[in-house]
Amino acid sequence: AQSVTQLGSHVSVSEGALVLLRCNYSSSVPPYLFWYVQYPNQGLQLLLKYTTGATLVKGINGFEAEFKKSETSFHLTKPSAHMSDAAEYFCAAHLITGNQFYFGTGTSLTVIP
Amino acid sequence: DAGVIQSPRHEVTEMGQEVTLRCKPISGHNSLFWYRQTMMRGLELLIYFNNNVPIDDSGMPEDRFSAKMPNASFSTLKIQPSEPRDSAVYFCASSRPGPYEQYFGPGTRLTVT
Repeated sequence: AQSVTQLGSHVSVSEGALVLLRCNYSSSVPPYLFWYVQYPNQGLQLLLKYTTGATLVKGINGFEAEFKKSETSFHLTKPSAHMSDAAEYFCAAHLITGNQFYFGTGTSLTVIP
Repeated sequence: DAGVIQSPRHEVTEMGQEVTLRCKPISGHNSLFWYRQTMMRGLELLIYFNNNVPIDDSGMPEDRFSAKMPNASFSTLKIQPSEPRDSAVYFCASSRPGPYEQYFGPGTRLTVT
């Protein structure tokens, strides 16, 4: 069955430290992959996406993610965490073969000053 | 563009009452999604429409929930009768048809007492 798994429901990093949020997908066909961010009391907004082409994609606010087909992963990284990065992050997969959309359970990022 | 518009932003109602949530998608987006978010269950897809037609309503929890999309610029999610366990934040999202990124509204926070 197709799905999206986010390892770690809570991640804490120090301000200035590397941010790494993990996402793995399960799909027989490589899906389109997305990372969304949700700030408190707001809806989800797109951080970045992978559809085709270059496997390293850059998004807003200094985030980037790399699609690794062999590992079925799409981990999100940022070299240096900022206090404003504290939020909930969702990985999502949308299958190009049909009307199927999967969201991970989310990872709450805390940035410690 | 104004983005996805949802109303009301907050709704407090008593158990047994009818609740109607409203959504205006982004102009030109032919796909519309309704989600529910709670601490316990995370983000759940309730139903989605393509070109005003419901494609998948398998996430609708029970017959008390119904959704309509009478035209391309308006959708409603109705709960009748409401119960305390329906308390959640309900999000509407829209996208171009296909496996593309979704644009989320600000959500409606529903409290059923």
